[in-house]
Amino acid sequence: DTEVTQTPKHLVMGMTNKKSLKCEQHMGHRAMYWYKQKAKKPPELMFVYSYEKLSINESVPSRFSPECPNSSLLNLHLHALQPEDSALYLCASSQRTEGLVGLAKNIQYFGAGTRLSVL
Amino acid sequence: AQKVTQAQTEISVVEKEDVTLDCVYETRDTTYYLFWYKQPPSGELVFLIRRNSFDEQNEISGRYSWNFQKSTSSFNFTITASQVVDSAVYFCAIRTGANSKLTFGKGITLSVRP
Repeated sequence: DTEVTQTPKHLVMGMTNKKSLKCEQHMGHRAMYWYKQKAKKPPELMFVYSYEKLSINESVPSRFSPECPNSSLLNLHLHALQPEDSALYLCASSQRTEGLVGLAKNIQYFGAGTRLSVL
Repeated sequence: AQKVTQAQTEISVVEKEDVTLDCVYETRDTTYYLFWYKQPPSGELVFLIRRNSFDEQNEISGRYSWNFQKSTSSFNFTITASQVVDSAVYFCAIRTGANSKLTFGKGITLSVRP
C-alpha cells in the first residue's frame, strides 16, 4: 500500500481566513514533504520533514506554517494568503530522506492534493 | 545544481500508436536517481519508475519501457500501444547526492485519442 491521504480535496478561502491542510500516511515513512503546483507547471518543493523535524524550508513565506505532530501526520497551516497562492498543494512521503546506494527508501509517494483557491 | 529538460510540451497520438517521451538531465554528481511520474487530471502524482545512476539496464513493464543512457544523459520513456487512459502529464525528475529534493522537468502533456 502506497497511499498518502490529503484532506480536504478542495478549499476556498478568503485572504483573512485561517485554514489547515492535512496529510496522512500509514506506511511507516519518516520523511514527509509539501509541494506547491501551479497550473501547467511542475511541483515546487516547499518543506521537508525528516523524523518529525523540519529539515528543509525552501524560503516559503511565513503565511505558510508546516507542522508534523507525529510520524504519520503532516499539516500545513494557512493564514493571510494571497490570491497568487491559489494552487494544487501536494503532500508526499518517503521512507527516509537520506541514503543513496541501492535503496528504494527515497521514492516519494504523493497524495491527490488539495486544490486551494484564495479569493 | 541539477536540471531536467523535457523538450516536448504536448504530444497527441491516436490510440494504439507507440509514443516516446524524452528526458535529458544535467548533474555534476556521479550518484543520482532518475524518476518518472504520471499526473492524470485527478491531480495525484503516480510513481512509475526509479533508476540509479550506476544501473543502466533498461526496463520493460507491460506496455511501458525506459531507455537510460548515461552517454547522452537521457532517460526516455516509451508507451507501446497507447490507450486513452494513458492521457496525462508525465514528469521526469532527478534527485542527487544526499539532497532529498526532487527536481522536476516541466512535464509533457500526452493526449491519446480514441
